[in-house]
Amino acid sequence: DTAVSQTPKYLVTQMGNDKSIKCEQNLGHDTMYWYKQDSKKFLKIMFSYNNKELIINETVPNRFSPKSPDKAHLNLHINSLELGDSAVYFCASSPLSNYGYTFGSGTRLTVV
Amino acid sequence: GESVGLHLPTLSVQEGDNSIINCAYSNSASDYFIWYKQESGKGPQFIIDIRSNMDKRQGQRVTVLLNKTVKHLSLQIAATQPGDSAVYFCAESSGFQKLVFGTGTRLLVSP
Repeated sequence: DTAVSQTPKYLVTQMGNDKSIKCEQNLGHDTMYWYKQDSKKFLKIMFSYNNKELIINETVPNRFSPKSPDKAHLNLHINSLELGDSAVYFCASSPLSNYGYTFGSGTRLTVV
Repeated sequence: GESVGLHLPTLSVQEGDNSIINCAYSNSASDYFIWYKQESGKGPQFIIDIRSNMDKRQGQRVTVLLNKTVKHLSLQIAATQPGDSAVYFCAESSGFQKLVFGTGTRLLVSP
């Protein structure tokens, strides 16, 4: 009964590969997000979607493409992976009415 | 640009002590602030929030203080326990359902 679930939890891949991270929330929230946490623990928003519509795109390289098939899912596809993409990626969701974010447990991406 | 930062990257306390974690923000238009706790291998968890029309808000063992004059936010944890050991983030609202996070403070609680 996990509220925000991400898969996979760990992902190790070579440079140049394409990979996807999936996220699902069962909270009935309207808005979903992707955040990137670097090695210094800094959390930065990448994207937010409200009811399948892109709301925020924080000048992320276009190698990153979010996809929201419905308001309960927000997947992140990354093309041509680079070493600098190594980080922990967090999915989160919130109701439209407030900032009560619920975060997933993260996906640790390592590009070698 | 907007930014949220913390003064102390690591705070070490003894069990039972009170802890104070500080945060400075630069966007005077921010009207909502949240503290999150992140344990190792987990996502950030909501602790407490405060709106800009308030100076203080209390929860269970935690208190958030907001000083808008100097753009400063603090989290006070009473009777700190080993289970409180984690990285703590402040975050400010920036409109459009977007939170800007600070750099984080690691709290280490010794038994």
